Amino acid sequence: GQSLEQPSEVTAVEGAIVQINCTYQTSGFYGLSWYQQHDGGAPTFLSYNALDGLEETGRFSSFLSRSDSYGYLLLQELQMKDSASYFCAVRDGYKIIFGKGTRLHILP
Amino acid sequence: GAGVSQSPRYKVTKRGQDVALRCDPISGHVSLYWYRQALGQGPEFLTYFNYEAQQDKSGLPNDRFSAERPEGSISTLTIQRTEQRDSAMYRCASSYDRGGLAGQETQYFGPGTRLLVL
Repeated sequence: GQSLEQPSEVTAVEGAIVQINCTYQTSGFYGLSWYQQHDGGAPTFLSYNALDGLEETGRFSSFLSRSDSYGYLLLQELQMKDSASYFCAVRDGYKIIFGKGTRLHILP
Repeated sequence: GAGVSQSPRYKVTKRGQDVALRCDPISGHVSLYWYRQALGQGPEFLTYFNYEAQQDKSGLPNDRFSAERPEGSISTLTIQRTEQRDSAMYRCASSYDRGGLAGQETQYFGPGTRLLVL
């Protein structure tokens, strides 16, 4: 079967760093994406990794290890506006499979 | 520029009725996806179009669900003989890249259509 596993909730303090992990099991793999979704809003794209290693975009970084079927999203200098749900997603051919999401709570 | 738009934003219908949900992707985007998203869950893939060609419809739950994109732009998701279990948020997303290519891949999601079947 095809599945993505990520923690359901993570709590961190404003200004800190948080890592959200994602492990996947799919029949095919073309790349790992991360999306952010605020309550009542639409998912918005954050990053995409097709190759192993770290991709950095401002305060957000994403890492992929294809041999371990594992990736993570790293958020630095957390701000209250980062409170949202974060989804990892895997491309398997034309299909894109999303995880159930990680709810990030940020404490002041 | 304009983003992905969907209409209607809310749809309430009675069980057994047919509904048509519209998606207007970003101009020039090759790929168009339909998803269903339950509250507190991630988007669930329904179908994918490359221009007007429906390349993957493996996520459509049953034969009551169908989708088309006849001119490679606007797409319609149709649900026939709606059932209460069809109630959900239906989202579409578009992407400039053709699905399956390696490299930067950004999907732009629309605001969704909230469907309620009574």
